[in-house]
Amino acid sequence: DTGVSQDPRHKITKRGQNVTFRCDPISEHNRLYWYRQTLGQGPEFLTYFQNEAQLEKSRLLSDRFSAERPKGSFSTLEIQRTEQGDSAMYLCASSLAHLTGEVTDTQYFGPGTRLTVL
Amino acid sequence: QQQVKQSPQSLIVQKGGISIINCAYENTAFDYFPWYQQFPGKGPALLIAIRPDVSEKKEGRFTISFNKSAKQFSLHIMDSQPGDSATYFCAASRDKNSGGYQKVTFGIGTKLQVIP
Repeated sequence: DTGVSQDPRHKITKRGQNVTFRCDPISEHNRLYWYRQTLGQGPEFLTYFQNEAQLEKSRLLSDRFSAERPKGSFSTLEIQRTEQGDSAMYLCASSLAHLTGEVTDTQYFGPGTRLTVL
Repeated sequence: QQQVKQSPQSLIVQKGGISIINCAYENTAFDYFPWYQQFPGKGPALLIAIRPDVSEKKEGRFTISFNKSAKQFSLHIMDSQPGDSATYFCAASRDKNSGGYQKVTFGIGTKLQVIP
C-alpha cells in the first residue's frame, strides 16, 4: 500500500500524559499537513510542512502541540499534558508541489489517529 | 468564522434518487473547490474537484455545479446507491498564494444515507 499511513490508529491516554503520533506520507510527496477532526465536524488545519520546514501553524495549535518532519519524510505530532478537549481524530495528508510552485491540488489523507483523553 | 457553509447536515435518499449537497463560501480568493468522501473510521478521500473557470464538472454519477457570482457550489449524486452512504465534505482552498501552499478549509459535512 503506497498511501498515507498513520500510527497508531487509536490512542487512549489519561489527562496530563504526553502522546506522539506518526505520519508516513506518500513517498514522493514533499508537502505534509496535519488536521484535527472532532465528531460531527470537518477537518481543521493544524500545520503544514514543505519538505522539513514547518511553514504555517494554526492558532488551534497551542504551545502544548509540536510537530516535526526532521528529514522531510515522516512527521510526528506530539501533544504534551493532554487535556480532554484534545480528544479528536488527528489526520495527516500529503501532496506534491512542483518546482514552479504549482500544487497538484490533491491532498491524500491517511486513516487518522483517534485520540481519547480520559 | 465558518468560511465554507454546508447544508444539509444529514440527508436520506432512496436508492436510485438524486442526492444534492450545497455549499457556500465567503472568501473570493478561493479558487479550488474539492469534495471529499469519508467513510467511518477512514480519512477523507478526494471525490471530485472544480475550479471557478467552469460552471460544471461531471465524473460518472457525481457532478459539481458552480456559481461564481453567488459564491455557491453543489454536489449532485445521480442514481444514488447504498454504497454512497458516507459523510461528504465540501472544501475550498487557494491554489496559489504568496505562501505557495494551500490550506484546505472544510465544510461541516453532510451525512448521506441511501436506503434500499
